[in-house]
Amino acid sequence: ILNVEQSPQSLHVQEGDSTNFTCSFPSSNFYALHWYRWETAKSPEALFVMTLNGDEKKKGRISATLNTKEGYSYLYIKGSQPEDSATYLCAYIPTFGRGTSLIVHP
Amino acid sequence: DAGITQSPRYKITETGRQVTLMCHQTWSHSYMFWYRQDLGHGLRLIYYSAAADITDKGEVPDGYVVSRSKTENFPLTLESATRSQTSVYFCASSESIFLVGTGGMLNNQPQHFGDGTRLSIL
Repeated sequence: ILNVEQSPQSLHVQEGDSTNFTCSFPSSNFYALHWYRWETAKSPEALFVMTLNGDEKKKGRISATLNTKEGYSYLYIKGSQPEDSATYLCAYIPTFGRGTSLIVHP
Repeated sequence: DAGITQSPRYKITETGRQVTLMCHQTWSHSYMFWYRQDLGHGLRLIYYSAAADITDKGEVPDGYVVSRSKTENFPLTLESATRSQTSVYFCASSESIFLVGTGGMLNNQPQHFGDGTRLSIL
């Protein structure tokens, strides 16, 4: 069982704030790190699959970076909107982190 | 529509009963997965399948049985349900991934999840 840790566990921000959260994972024998967005009452939806050290991926206002040497990835949301409210999961398959719950207040 | 569907969405059953959760995908993805979601644990892998007739255990396989006679279907059976198996179950699929010989899984393809089955065992 691999150790995948996410922080913080939850986050409350105001609309328009930019925010970021962290995923740490085993740095040895790295292959791929996944990010998913999980809205309440829905199923997880893939955001990014990151494979290369130094990778940076972007989807709209959401971006992610990867450091495989030190075993962490950051997810950034620029100008948070209420519709960004969700739990953000990272996964070092087959192990998922417990997620960061983001609530964006209007 | 193409996608991954789970049935039933909700199920209530009694301790000791057998129950089967269904999962069907239309993408012809090789890999399929069953996870359970519990408070304090996040998503945990129960079983996965690399192709028809190839299945393997995940982190929490005890009390569950899977089969994969066709690529598109991956049913999960609780042979004798226990209260500890009350959970939300998610099925997922992905395109081909690589497995390392030590039993690890290297997956560079996104997983596509079904809507989940909420199972309550009384």
